[in-house]
Amino acid sequence: GAGVSQSPSNKVTEKGKDVELRCDPISGHTALYWYRQSLGQGLEFLIYFQGNSAPDKSGLPSDRFSAERTGGSVSTLTIQRTQQEDSAVYLCASTPPTSGTTQYFGPGTRLTVL
Amino acid sequence: EDQVTQSPEALRLQEGESSSLNCSYTVSGLRGLFWYRQDPGKGPEFLFTLYSAGEEKEKERLKATLTKKESFLHITAPKPEDSATYLCAVRTHNTDKLIFGTGTRLQVFP
Repeated sequence: GAGVSQSPSNKVTEKGKDVELRCDPISGHTALYWYRQSLGQGLEFLIYFQGNSAPDKSGLPSDRFSAERTGGSVSTLTIQRTQQEDSAVYLCASTPPTSGTTQYFGPGTRLTVL
Repeated sequence: EDQVTQSPEALRLQEGESSSLNCSYTVSGLRGLFWYRQDPGKGPEFLFTLYSAGEEKEKERLKATLTKKESFLHITAPKPEDSATYLCAVRTHNTDKLIFGTGTRLQVFP
């Protein structure tokens, strides 16, 4: 079946602009995660949605970052007033409805802030 | 603080030259250790999940093992197509998020 999809694959923006990154999880998966991968660094957790529970926002680096998940499926990560340090690959992952199972990743969105 | 450290950062192997990648961890209650492969420009691809010390899993030329402090990814007779960055991650009892190491970049030359 189809895997996790993300769009756009690449995004170039100017400093100060807002951007929206989209994630379509695998059908039937109830949990959705956002991570950020900066050059030379490991993946950094940003936010996690599980079913109808309140999201775990503990990894968001600042209040310029927010995310929502509509209808328990598609998620959008929004970065307001982008800064150059926001340049990174943003990865989305989803897991099926069983606790402690594997996260399956999408191809990522490469964000470049000029 | 929960932490994952991978070594070496980079590894160059001749085709057929077996080796091991290390992932050491310090966590407050392990609920799974994960190995992923990541090719340039792509998202991580799941390889293995290990849950308890002594557990081993194999897939083609790869074998993952787990102790109470570390995991090894053994690569037997590697081929150039095994070249990639290998990522290790852990999940703890406190959360469902994954804590990643910075990866080992493997290059296999013919």
